[in-house]
Amino acid sequence: GIQVEQSPPDLILQEGANSTLRCNFSDSVNNLQWFHQNPWGQLINLFYIPSGTKQNGRLSATTVATERYSLLYISSSQTTDSGVYFCAVVRGGNKLVFGAGTILRVKS
Amino acid sequence: SAVISQKPSRDICQRGTSLTIQCQVDSQVTMMFWYRQQPGQSLTLIATANQGSEATYESGFVIDKFPISRPNLTFSTLTVSNMSPEDSSIYLCSTRSTDTQYFGPGTRLTVL
Repeated sequence: GIQVEQSPPDLILQEGANSTLRCNFSDSVNNLQWFHQNPWGQLINLFYIPSGTKQNGRLSATTVATERYSLLYISSSQTTDSGVYFCAVVRGGNKLVFGAGTILRVKS
Repeated sequence: SAVISQKPSRDICQRGTSLTIQCQVDSQVTMMFWYRQQPGQSLTLIATANQGSEATYESGFVIDKFPISRPNLTFSTLTVSNMSPEDSSIYLCSTRSTDTQYFGPGTRLTVL
């Protein structure tokens, strides 16, 4: 099956810093999403981005489908950005396959 | 979008017992998904539940252990049967709307 790799596995930032999270996938996909899981476990969809670039406030994402990777940018990080960021893909069918996640800690 | 609620939000259960988790969606949806998130791990799909048909289970998950019901287009249940401490996880209900996946708040299960 398709493999999804995320990097880095852990990241500690000072409040106000910027960061880039990466997601590599092993085959072509027709659906790619980024999620944030807050410290209470709630999963929030950040972006549906199988290709191209999208922005939402301090967050933006870019997917280069031909090179099989996606990037999530967080600018001016805040403590509320802490949690786990997951990349997940669909290759045919309906099954969403998750990467291992990046644990982000933003310190004040 | 879809708003999903789950009950219970958390539970502590004894080994050998069963727990049924309820999932309610605020709109009619074709597919509902059940995921498991073991401590410190990513999410793994347990099964896909379509209304009016048997659930489709992923490799490593069986109906006897995780029976699923889907009585209508807004509701589903997942039962964790004959529990052991290894079943301690967060169980999440999910659905998809216009290519975007939505998740319920999860049920945090601890098995003693």
